[in-house]
Amino acid sequence: AQSVTQLGSHVSVSEGALVLLRCNYSSSVPPYLFWYVQYPNQGLQLLLKYTSAATLVKGINGFEAEFKKSETSFHLTKPSAHMSDAAEYFCAVSAKGYDKVIFGPGTSLSVIP
Amino acid sequence: DAGVIQSPRHEVTEMGQEVTLRCKPISGHNSLFWYRQTMMRGLELLIYFNNNVPIDDSGMPEDRFSAKMPNASFSTLKIQPSEPRDSAVYFCASSFDRGASNEQFFGPGTRLTVL
Repeated sequence: AQSVTQLGSHVSVSEGALVLLRCNYSSSVPPYLFWYVQYPNQGLQLLLKYTSAATLVKGINGFEAEFKKSETSFHLTKPSAHMSDAAEYFCAVSAKGYDKVIFGPGTSLSVIP
Repeated sequence: DAGVIQSPRHEVTEMGQEVTLRCKPISGHNSLFWYRQTMMRGLELLIYFNNNVPIDDSGMPEDRFSAKMPNASFSTLKIQPSEPRDSAVYFCASSFDRGASNEQFFGPGTRLTVL
């Protein structure tokens, strides 16, 4: 079975500050990990994904995430927040041989001017 | 490419009425997913298809919900009869093949309100 937890349902950062959104996963097999972003009144779109290649994954809009097997984590970071980063962020897990992607509960990011 | 297309974008109906949500996946994608998003339950997978065949419908909440995919370019999610607790945003997503590492492309969603 696979699962995802996201620490913090809501995170606020100042514009220009570091963004850190936490994700921990559980998987009985090597996982595939994803971060999706959802802007208001839109569907989800992929930010980045880890599929067992490099552990540091770079995505769109300056985001990156690092896969840490020992910590079962896949935290999302961005060095400097922009107002346009305000959105809902979802971490998700899947694995080879599994068709379904399991989404976490989401973290709402607010950026304060 | 136009992306995943969903219609209607908004639907308001009365309890007991039939509701049909529609989805056109991205051309060339052969996996299609229906999700429901609510504040209480987050994003839930209802059903997914591969090559127009339903693979897993374990997320469909009850018999009032049904989904079809008559061809590679069209799918419907039907609720009959609808209830207020069905109010949610329903997303359709598609991906190229059923590989677990494949990105899912989401439509803009249908916001359903059942009065």
